[in-house]
Amino acid sequence: DIQMTQSPSTLHASVGDSVTITCRASRSVSVWLAWYQQKPGNAPKQLIYKASNLHSGVPSRFSGSGSGTEFTLTISSLQPDDFATYYCQQYKDYPVTFGQGTKLEIK
Amino acid sequence: QVQLQESGPGLVKPSQTLSLTCTVSGVFISGGDYYWSWIRQAPGKGLEWIGYTYYSGSSFSSPSLSSRVALGVDTSKNQFSLRLSSVTAADTAVYYCAREAPDDSRYFNIDYWGRGILVTVSS
Repeated sequence: DIQMTQSPSTLHASVGDSVTITCRASRSVSVWLAWYQQKPGNAPKQLIYKASNLHSGVPSRFSGSGSGTEFTLTISSLQPDDFATYYCQQYKDYPVTFGQGTKLEIK
Repeated sequence: QVQLQESGPGLVKPSQTLSLTCTVSGVFISGGDYYWSWIRQAPGKGLEWIGYTYYSGSSFSSPSLSSRVALGVDTSKNQFSLRLSSVTAADTAVYYCAREAPDDSRYFNIDYWGRGILVTVSS
């Protein structure tokens, strides 16, 4: 299985800040990577697919980049609604696998 | 608008079989454009993909669970299902059903999720 590793595990930031979360794959997944946002008690919601494509309806302050084994999710101008846990997921190979999550907390 | 809704018992005894159904609305499973998946999340833990099924009945599950997993589909009801046998406390989790959509003919990403159902394994 492809292992996905996110960093940091926890991130503290303030409203208005810009933050970046990194996701590394144990081997190349090309561009077949997605990002999800999950709030407590809710299902994950897709933000980004194919490394950099924004899911319909997702605000443009979310952006993704990368290819191969290293990817980033950037959130610019943080809003109160953005404080949540974020997961990356590779879908190049089955079984698809997820990172362990990055919890974004208010500073 | 695509919606998925999980249903089934919230409590299962150890060694028994967990059975869940996902009802899909807004898209026909029989259309054949998507894979239909199950993912779980143990309390306070990350996400684990269980497997997918296709409208034809073909399926694929994670090797770590495949010996205990059975995936099914009922296109007449627009539903798909998960059965997990010989459960233990380690199978206690929120179980999500989801849709996998192609952004390339070979690669499918999870674009919509159900709200999830908590299944507790306990005597």
